[in-house]
Amino acid sequence: QVHLQEAGPRLLKPSETLSVTCSVSGSSIKTNDYYWAWIRQSPGKGLEWIGNMFYSGSTFYNPSLRSRVTFSVDASNNQFSLTLNSVTAADTAIYYCARQRVDNYFDLWGQGTLVTVSS
Amino acid sequence: DIQMTQSPSTLSASVGDRVTITCRASQSINIWVAWYQQKPGKAPRLLIYRASILESGVPSRFSGSGSGTDFTLTISSLQPDDFATYYCQQYNSYFWTFGQGTKVEIK
Repeated sequence: QVHLQEAGPRLLKPSETLSVTCSVSGSSIKTNDYYWAWIRQSPGKGLEWIGNMFYSGSTFYNPSLRSRVTFSVDASNNQFSLTLNSVTAADTAIYYCARQRVDNYFDLWGQGTLVTVSS
Repeated sequence: DIQMTQSPSTLSASVGDRVTITCRASQSINIWVAWYQQKPGKAPRLLIYRASILESGVPSRFSGSGSGTDFTLTISSLQPDDFATYYCQQYNSYFWTFGQGTKVEIK
């Protein structure tokens, strides 16, 4: 059974960098059958796709976040990561990692991690 | 970007009711819609993709229909486990966007 689990800091101050890692178990991320995605959910903006990547490193970002987001893959540990620079209170959200079928919908999600940005 | 508008925002229903949720796209998206169910404190769960294909393991009381700009999710006979928030998502055009959600609550 495939399982995704996010890990990262829960509280950040404005202007700091958010880093969240998703650990995948039960399946290798080295596959051409799926992308690996990040989605966030906040009360104000609902569900927002942040972007996705292939294990090979090719990435696709939401244009609204592209200037501040970076994805990376650690295939040896079956993990992928999100980095978001210069956070503000508007970045307060639950951050989910998800498995994205190549058709571009999400068939498996992690439990999510709540990140709060506050001074 | 394509806007997805769901209606209603909240729906009150009883066990056994037939429930229909609507999602309208701001432009034609063919059949490239997925539906998700989310319960409090949990991640969304995929129910339907390609507008009408039921994901494996999802009860057959769930169904989806539509094409172009108008889509529906129907629960044929609402069960206690179905009280949740439902989201549509379009994947016709980069970048992928979600509806604002429809909360199904107990009447």
